[in-house]
Amino acid sequence: QSALTQPASVSGSPGQSITISCTGTSSDIGGYNYVSWYQQHPGKAPKLIIYEVSNWPSGVSTRFSGSKSGNTASLTISGLQAEDEADYYCTSYTSTNALVAFGGGTKLTVL
Amino acid sequence: EVQLEESGGGLVQPGGSLRLSCTVSGLIVSNNYMSWVRQAPGKGLEWISFIYNTGDTYYADSVKGRFAISRVNSRNEVYLQMNSLRAEDTAVYYCARYDALTHFDYWGRGTLVTVSS
Repeated sequence: QSALTQPASVSGSPGQSITISCTGTSSDIGGYNYVSWYQQHPGKAPKLIIYEVSNWPSGVSTRFSGSKSGNTASLTISGLQAEDEADYYCTSYTSTNALVAFGGGTKLTVL
Repeated sequence: EVQLEESGGGLVQPGGSLRLSCTVSGLIVSNNYMSWVRQAPGKGLEWISFIYNTGDTYYADSVKGRFAISRVNSRNEVYLQMNSLRAEDTAVYYCARYDALTHFDYWGRGTLVTVSS
């Protein structure tokens, strides 16, 4: 069982916006601004798309945005495109001896 | 350009051992926090080990006492020695840099480890 809770799947049509939630505790998401998000296409390595809650790595589209409220972080993808269909994972630093908490992943389907 | 390339995966029997290597270019491993993350078939990502720039090492409970992370500075490589392997260790193993202790920014393509008799 993953330390962070994500919905198993979300879907949206091209051009729409979707939001993926990631729920933790005060020991991880709620206590630190160290949430990051990753996109993973089938058979490929994960790719960092958001770090420290809402920052973009160089080269990542600004259609991806991140936020946090309390113990829940969110990833919003605006202007959905077919290429956005992938699995998305959240992570957070955690003050437990696990050091890093991962979400279970969310499969995004673009209808 | 930063590149990470894993090698050493393969088929191993339960109870066996395997050593994975991560060859890095474009950054100096001894100046960075390096990690191994794995993904079982059809499952999510799981962090398993860090080696800090100080040389300090950390492990997930699932591999503590069985796996060991190390590095060779002169080769700019990171290793994962895996002992007492179990079927549940079957996964793609990724090497990644853990930047600023907050996020994994550079990843290799992964190497598949299959534990089966």
